[in-house]
Amino acid sequence: DGGITQSPKYLFRKEGQNVTLSCEQNLNHDAMYWYRQDPGQGLRLIYYSQIVNDFQKGDIAEGYSVSREKKESFPLTVTSAQKNPTAFYLCASSIGGMDTQYFGPGTRLTVL
Amino acid sequence: EDKVVQSPLSLVVHEGDTVTLNCSYEVTNFRSLLWYKQEKKAPTFLFMLTSSGIEKKSGRLSSILDKKELFSILNITATQTGDSAIYLCAVGSGGSNYKLTFGKGTLLTVNP
Repeated sequence: DGGITQSPKYLFRKEGQNVTLSCEQNLNHDAMYWYRQDPGQGLRLIYYSQIVNDFQKGDIAEGYSVSREKKESFPLTVTSAQKNPTAFYLCASSIGGMDTQYFGPGTRLTVL
Repeated sequence: EDKVVQSPLSLVVHEGDTVTLNCSYEVTNFRSLLWYKQEKKAPTFLFMLTSSGIEKKSGRLSSILDKKELFSILNITATQTGDSAIYLCAVGSGGSNYKLTFGKGTLLTVNP
């Protein structure tokens, strides 16, 4: 079954802790993306990667970091520098940089 | 700064009604406009439009793009309760660093 998986589904974190969200795809897509969704805000781009070992900042990259060591994987770390990390995080992938993006099921992060 | 504005932000209709959702945009180097449906978690792809004036259709859903006036509409005829969702409009822009900019979405509620 091809698709995009994100884990965990729900994540709770104490203030001051870093946390890493997983995103894996077996669609053989080159490009991968991380978005954040807040109520009434739509989706905002955090980071994206068009190719392995390369990534670019999106519109709201501060307080986040990523890596792209493998084509299938694009983990997102939410650092303690992110001032308001409670949100729904969505990972997406596309065949190439200009193609339709397909989304994973999301991770809901709550900071206590 | 790229901007995508959707209207209305929310809409309540009865089953069988026809609805029109709007999306206007201001972006640099427009490439494409996409519509997604988000029911609970992952947005699912509906349409991608790149050419002006050509309608895309899938069952009761259809969409058209006007590149001169910088907007798109999504029509849903004979609505059903299963159409209840957030409908997201996204505009693709940029050259080598192509990215999607999302609107805030339209929350559609279809009552029986």
